Amino acid sequence: EAGVVQSPRYKIIEKKQPVAFWCNPISGHNTLYWYLQNLGQGPELLIRYENEEAVDDSQLPKDRFSAERLKGVDSTLKIQPAELGDSAVYLCASSFSNTNTGELFFGEGSRLTVL
Amino acid sequence: AQSVAQPEDQVKVAEGNPLTVKCTYSVSGNPYLFWYVQYPNRGLQFLLKYITGDNLVKGSYGFEAEFNKSQTSFHLKKPSALVSDSALYFCAVRDIANAGKSTFGDGTTLTVKP
Repeated sequence: EAGVVQSPRYKIIEKKQPVAFWCNPISGHNTLYWYLQNLGQGPELLIRYENEEAVDDSQLPKDRFSAERLKGVDSTLKIQPAELGDSAVYLCASSFSNTNTGELFFGEGSRLTVL
Repeated sequence: AQSVAQPEDQVKVAEGNPLTVKCTYSVSGNPYLFWYVQYPNRGLQFLLKYITGDNLVKGSYGFEAEFNKSQTSFHLKKPSALVSDSALYFCAVRDIANAGKSTFGDGTTLTVKP
């Protein structure tokens, strides 16, 4: 069974440019997460979806970040415009919904470098 | 607010020796606790979890962890380390009283020397 798939794996852009990351979760996983991982730190939640609904986006910087999960499957995270401080790894994860006991399944991440 | 502390940025052990990676947590209610491992340029992989029951839980690759409620700790252990265990390890806590929100520690780099 395929795991969580993310693309692109690496992206280098100039500041003020837009960028988008795509995530395809494990089939049957209704909960999808986007995390930000800075160098030397643990993942920090940006947004969590239950099916199509964003149930926790309190840590998403909404002035420049946006996310969507159409049809409750794939998800896209967008940054517009990007800033130097956005350089980080963006991790997507999924899990079975309606349970707090399940572990998260992570993709390999999208590493963003903003010049 | 919930939090996780991994007091050691790095742990170094010799191959064949036992290893311990420390984790302490703070939550308002009963915790669900997890350990994940991250290899270079990869995502996090689940190792083991404590939900309820026996305080000693066993997971992948021979790892185990002991839940200690009085010390609010969940240390990761392995009786005999392998060079291939060298990686970055993250402890995470999920607070069921906080809509299941997960909080991760900052990670501990484990180096196992041949």
